[in-house]
Amino acid sequence: DIQVTQSPSSLSASVGDRVTITCRASQYINIYLNWYQQRPGRAPSLLIYGTSSLHSGVPSRFSGSGSGTDFTLTINSLQPEDLATYYCQQTHSTPYTFGQGTKLEIK
Amino acid sequence: QVQLVESGGGVVQPGRSLRLSCAASGFAFSSAGMHWVRQAPGKGLEWVALIWYDGSNRYYLDSVKGRFTISRDNSRNMVYLQMNSLRAEDTAVYYCAKEGLSGYVNYWGQGTLVTVSS
Repeated sequence: DIQVTQSPSSLSASVGDRVTITCRASQYINIYLNWYQQRPGRAPSLLIYGTSSLHSGVPSRFSGSGSGTDFTLTINSLQPEDLATYYCQQTHSTPYTFGQGTKLEIK
Repeated sequence: QVQLVESGGGVVQPGRSLRLSCAASGFAFSSAGMHWVRQAPGKGLEWVALIWYDGSNRYYLDSVKGRFTISRDNSRNMVYLQMNSLRAEDTAVYYCAKEGLSGYVNYWGQGTLVTVSS
């Protein structure tokens, strides 16, 4: 199975900051890496698929990059509503494993 | 708009069975793969199972193989998760989810809670 290691596990940032979350796969997954946001008490929602494609309706301050085994989610100009836990997921091969999550707090 | 509504969760004793259902609407159901993803209380997301758009292929998390079965009824826009021999570690919110073009989940239901406890 492909393991996905996400870091950091938590972070705190201020409104307006730029935030970066990373994800590393245990083997080559091409661009089959996706990012999800889960706000407190809510179901997850898709942010980015295929490493860098923005899902419909997602603000452009969210972006993704990477390929192979190393990937990054960037949030530019952090907003209060970005308070959430963020997960990466590989969909190169089943089981479609998730990262452990990054809990983002707003200072 | 896409809607996924799960039902069938509840409290069940270890070793017993439960069937989850998911009613889908707002998209071409018979053209979409469907997933189940779970989340134990206070924990992260865990992918559980996937069924192709036509039911021809199914994939499972290793720890549920042989115990859980994913199925679908394209005439009723329904997807199911039959869970047998339930264990305490299966306790979680179970989300029904629609697949995008390459395995990712582009829409999620609100989830149904399954609690396995004596």
